[in-house]
Amino acid sequence: TQLLEQSPQFLSIQEGENLTVYCNSSSVFSSLQWYRQEPGEGPVLLVTVVTGGEVKKLKRLTFQFGDARKDSSLHITAAQPGDTGLYLCAVAGGTSYGKLTFGQGTILTVHP
Amino acid sequence: NAGVTQTPKFRVLKTGQSMTLLCAQDMNHEYMYWYRQDPGMGLRLIHYSVGEGTTAKGEVPDGYNVSRLKKQNFLLGLESAAPSQTSVYFCAGSDWREGTQYFGPGTRLLVL
Repeated sequence: TQLLEQSPQFLSIQEGENLTVYCNSSSVFSSLQWYRQEPGEGPVLLVTVVTGGEVKKLKRLTFQFGDARKDSSLHITAAQPGDTGLYLCAVAGGTSYGKLTFGQGTILTVHP
Repeated sequence: NAGVTQTPKFRVLKTGQSMTLLCAQDMNHEYMYWYRQDPGMGLRLIHYSVGEGTTAKGEVPDGYNVSRLKKQNFLLGLESAAPSQTSVYFCAGSDWREGTQYFGPGTRLLVL
């Protein structure tokens, strides 16, 4: 059983559409991070959320941490081809004390 | 600053051969990590280090060894490579155990 479940695993959309990616667990965490990984490169941090119910915005990306700190979502408005990549959530605390545990990722493809 | 670098970028091994992957960082990270990334599995932690001279096992340590003789370098060794170790290997560094991780560009390893 995965500590973190990301959904969907694959997402293929047209430029201009909106989308939401989910990261769920049954455990409580002290913080949650979202990374984006482009082909042939390592993951790069997008945001860290630490407070239950917290919402953070990064241009067209909106991140939300669940009230109970067990889940998170990433919403992209008006997706662009440059958003294409693998989106990974990672958690710390709880059963991941002292390290990060990554979800399996969502592969997003945005077609022009 | 070069950040986190990995050597080599790509390698092909035959079953039973040995090799060492080098991770170097110039960001003064205290913590360093080795992950492997396989399709649909996200990033899985192999070994990590919480400081110079220390190492610890991660989620999938079997078949790998590590050393951190100098703070800036973290080496991952495969003593007897197996086809199951075909993967993309990422090194990362961070300033604290549950903080942002800064990744290298990855090493693609193919074991025949």
